[in-house]
Amino acid sequence: SYVLTQPPSVSVAPGKTARITCGGNNIGKKSVHWYQQKPGQAPVLVIYYDSDRPSGIPERLSGSNSGDTATLTISRVEAGDEADYYCQVWDSSSEHRVFGGGTKLTVL
Amino acid sequence: QVQLVQSGSELKKPGASVKVSCKASGYTFTSFIMNWVRQAPGQGLEWMGWINTNTGNPTYAQGFTGRFVFSFDTSVSTAYLQISSLKAEDTAVYYCARDGYCGADCYSDYWGQGTLVTVSS
Repeated sequence: SYVLTQPPSVSVAPGKTARITCGGNNIGKKSVHWYQQKPGQAPVLVIYYDSDRPSGIPERLSGSNSGDTATLTISRVEAGDEADYYCQVWDSSSEHRVFGGGTKLTVL
Repeated sequence: QVQLVQSGSELKKPGASVKVSCKASGYTFTSFIMNWVRQAPGQGLEWMGWINTNTGNPTYAQGFTGRFVFSFDTSVSTAYLQISSLKAEDTAVYYCARDGYCGADCYSDYWGQGTLVTVSS
C-alpha cells in the first residue's frame, strides 16, 4: 500500500516560515490535501489539490507538490498555527485514501 | 451552512456493539460521499472508508472489514457507523467527513465534531 511520510515534529519561531513535508513515491503525480488539527478539535481542510486554499484559510498557508515530496508552507507563523498537520492522497492501486502520520508544528 | 453533528460519547464493554450517528444539514445529503475516519488516543488519522449516499455502496479500508458497517437514512440525512464485537483497541475518536464535489482523489471539506468510543470492562 502507498505510504506517506511526514516528520513527527517541526519547530519554528513566530514570524518565520515553517515547511512541513509529505513524502511518497511519485507523489507529484497525485493530488495532495492538507488538514490542520488543533488539540481536542476536528481536522480542518487547509489546502486541497496541492495548492488551492478553501475560503477563510489565510494566504500565509500555501502548498506545492513535485517529485517525491509535497510541502505545506506556512509564512509569518503565528502562535495560532500551532497544531498537527496531516497530508492525504488517493492511492489508485488500492483504491484507498491514505493519510500521512502527521506533523506537530510547535511555535517557539 | 453545512454542518455534521455526531452523537455523543459512548462507553462500551468488550464484545458489545455501538452505532455512531452523523446528522448532516445545509446541503443535499445524497449528493456527497461520506467518509469515516478513526483517531486512536494520541495517534494520527486513519481512513476507514466511505459510503456513497447516492448508490448506497460502501467501501471499507483494509482493517475495517467484517466488524464495521456504514449505513445511512436519507429521510433524516444521517450516516451511521456500526462497530460490532468491540475490542479495547477500538477505543478512539470516530469522525464523519463529507467529501467535496469531486472524484475519488477528493478531499473532505466538512467534518463532524467526533465521537469518542471507549471500550473497557
